[in-house]
Amino acid sequence: QQQVKQSPQSLIVQKGGISIINCAYENTAFDYFPWYQQFPGKGPALLIAIRPDVSEKKEGRFTISFNKSAKQFSLHIMDSQPGDSATYFCAAEPYQGAQKLVFGQGTRLTINP
Amino acid sequence: ETGVTQSPTHLIKTRGQQVTLRCSSQSGHNTVSWYQQALGQGPQFIFQYYREEENGRGNFPPRFSGLQFPNYSSELNVNALELDDSALYLCASSSSLQNTGELFFGEGSRLTVL
Repeated sequence: QQQVKQSPQSLIVQKGGISIINCAYENTAFDYFPWYQQFPGKGPALLIAIRPDVSEKKEGRFTISFNKSAKQFSLHIMDSQPGDSATYFCAAEPYQGAQKLVFGQGTRLTINP
Repeated sequence: ETGVTQSPTHLIKTRGQQVTLRCSSQSGHNTVSWYQQALGQGPQFIFQYYREEENGRGNFPPRFSGLQFPNYSSELNVNALELDDSALYLCASSSSLQNTGELFFGEGSRLTVL
């Protein structure tokens, strides 16, 4: 019940294309759904996050789509750039204020120039 | 504003030894969490410290222990090291006053157990 499943494990996209990463969860008590970006040798950094009371959140080229009934959420990166090449993790917070995250397994994204 | 800093960045230990990893939280943050990130995997929650006490623990054995100090910095101690303890150990800080679950991560301590 505490799992977050992420797919695909790796993804290669051409520059200018759309990158899509998907996550699914089981625990309906999860309250906060962030996406973290991690570059080699660095710690994860928050990219964008959403709460379950909205179905979509957009920040620049990054959009989270959230489907509460299906218990799924996804990250879309529009106009993907080589600088977006990194590992992306979805995560979920067990309850509001927990500040403890359950992470997905990660997606290694490569943007070809 | 100073970010989360961790030390050491890399270390090598042998099976059975003990290790202590250190973390200084971001300025203004009073909560510290530790995560273990095995190669090619997502971070896994070890435990969280708030007000110098453990405030939640993941599925890790008691040989993983921690401390938080009055200045909110923290230590992670691992006793009787096993080969599977080889991983990147991430410290994350946050504030109990924030209304989001955002965590601010350090760059990690890479532990290799031989």
